[in-house]
Amino acid sequence: DVKVTQSSRYLVKRTGEKVFLECVQDMDHENMFWYRQDPGLGLRLIYFSYDVKMKEKGDIPEGYSVSREKKERFSLILESASTNQTSMYLCASQRSLPGGQETQYFGPGTRLLVL
Amino acid sequence: GQNIDQPTEMTATEGAIVQINCTYQTSGFNGLFWYQQHAGEAPTFLSYNVLDGLEEKGRFSSFLSRSKGYSYLLLKELQMKDSASYLCAVRSYNTDKLIFGTGTRLQVFP
Repeated sequence: DVKVTQSSRYLVKRTGEKVFLECVQDMDHENMFWYRQDPGLGLRLIYFSYDVKMKEKGDIPEGYSVSREKKERFSLILESASTNQTSMYLCASQRSLPGGQETQYFGPGTRLLVL
Repeated sequence: GQNIDQPTEMTATEGAIVQINCTYQTSGFNGLFWYQQHAGEAPTFLSYNVLDGLEEKGRFSSFLSRSKGYSYLLLKELQMKDSASYLCAVRSYNTDKLIFGTGTRLQVFP
């Protein structure tokens, strides 16, 4: 079974703090993703990585950065947390194969509250 | 532009059949996924369609019509544990990224 783990289930931070969210997958997947999920807005892609040290902006990258130094680990960084970044953050991983039929596997999510 | 529409909420009775619709407009199409997400948990994969027609998997089936930009997820013999959100997601050409709908929250009543 694919396992995607996230460093925290719940996190409370103050405005202006630097926040690190870690995601680790154990299936040697090439692709990794960071989403945020908000009521009424669904899952929105923040950043995507298709290989070590490679990254691509998603739909809402502003205020975030990412790091992928090792294949199994993809980190999301909030450089200076703001209250509008209070959300559920979901990490996903996926094998990259021709044809595009591979599903994404999601971690349990991190619920972040910025005060 | 890209747009995916699903109903926000649906209710149904245990043992019944429910159909959750999804319509999409994307620049290119390379597959449609359905995920189930229980409250407070991660989305889990249910089905994948890339060709027109019906894919059946036990109590769950998914249908796709590419010409109409339309899919549905059919849940039969509903059980209480089927109460969850159901997410429709579309993949465009030459990318592994998915565009998600806002999800349909299904409540199953006894």
